[in-house]
Amino acid sequence: NAGVTQTPKFRVLKTGQSMTLLCAQDMNHEYMYWYRQDPGMGLRLIHYSVGEGTTAKGEVPDGYNVSRLKKQNFLLGLESAAPSQTSVYFCASRHQKNTGELFFGEGSRLTVL
Amino acid sequence: LAKTTQPISMDSYEGQEVNITCSHNNIATNDYITWYQQFPSQGPRFIIQGYKTKVTNEVASLFIPADRKSSTLSLPRVSLSDTAVYYCLVGDMNFNKFYFGSGTKLNVKP
Repeated sequence: NAGVTQTPKFRVLKTGQSMTLLCAQDMNHEYMYWYRQDPGMGLRLIHYSVGEGTTAKGEVPDGYNVSRLKKQNFLLGLESAAPSQTSVYFCASRHQKNTGELFFGEGSRLTVL
Repeated sequence: LAKTTQPISMDSYEGQEVNITCSHNNIATNDYITWYQQFPSQGPRFIIQGYKTKVTNEVASLFIPADRKSSTLSLPRVSLSDTAVYYCLVGDMNFNKFYFGSGTKLNVKP
C-alpha cells in the first residue's frame, strides 16, 4: 500500500496563478484533511472532509477551496495564489473508527512569487 | 477544543529518558490526548494516544494524572534519531478536527 500520496511535491507559482494539489489515499479512510505548515510553526488545519461529497472549513480556510468527489481523493485548490500562501502543505487521512491516528503524506512545498 | 501548552524546546543526551509535558487545563470529558512526532521535511507520525492513567506501546509511554489537566510523553533511552518536534493534541475523536499547536523541539545530543 502507498498510504497517502500527494502531488505535486514541489511547485512554484506567480502571484495570481491557480493550481490544485491532489491527495490520494488507498486505505479506504473516511476522513481526510489538508494542513499547511509555515517555517518553524505547527500545522494549521485548512479544510477537512468526513466523507465523499462533504467538506468543512478548518482554522485557516480563506483563499482555498476543496473537493472530495471520490472517497480516495481530496483536492486542495488555490484560485488566485498569494505570497502568503507560500508554505508546505500536508494531507492526512483517518479511518472513521480510529480514535486519533492520522496518516500523513510527505508534503507539497509551494512557493508563490 | 482544549488549548494545549508545551515547552518550546528541550535538550537531552543519548541514552537518557525524556519526559515532555503538555498542559491542557480545559480538557473536556470526552477528549482524548494524542501525541505526534515530526521529522524535518516529513509529515507528522502518530506516537501514542490515551484517555487516563498510563498507556504504553513499543515507542513511548503516556502518563495522564487523575484530573487530566496535563499529560507527559515519556521516551525511554533516546537516541540521536529521536531528534524531532513532538506535538500534543487534545480533542473529541468524534469531532473530526485535529488542531496542532507549536510543538516541542527535542534535540538529542551525543
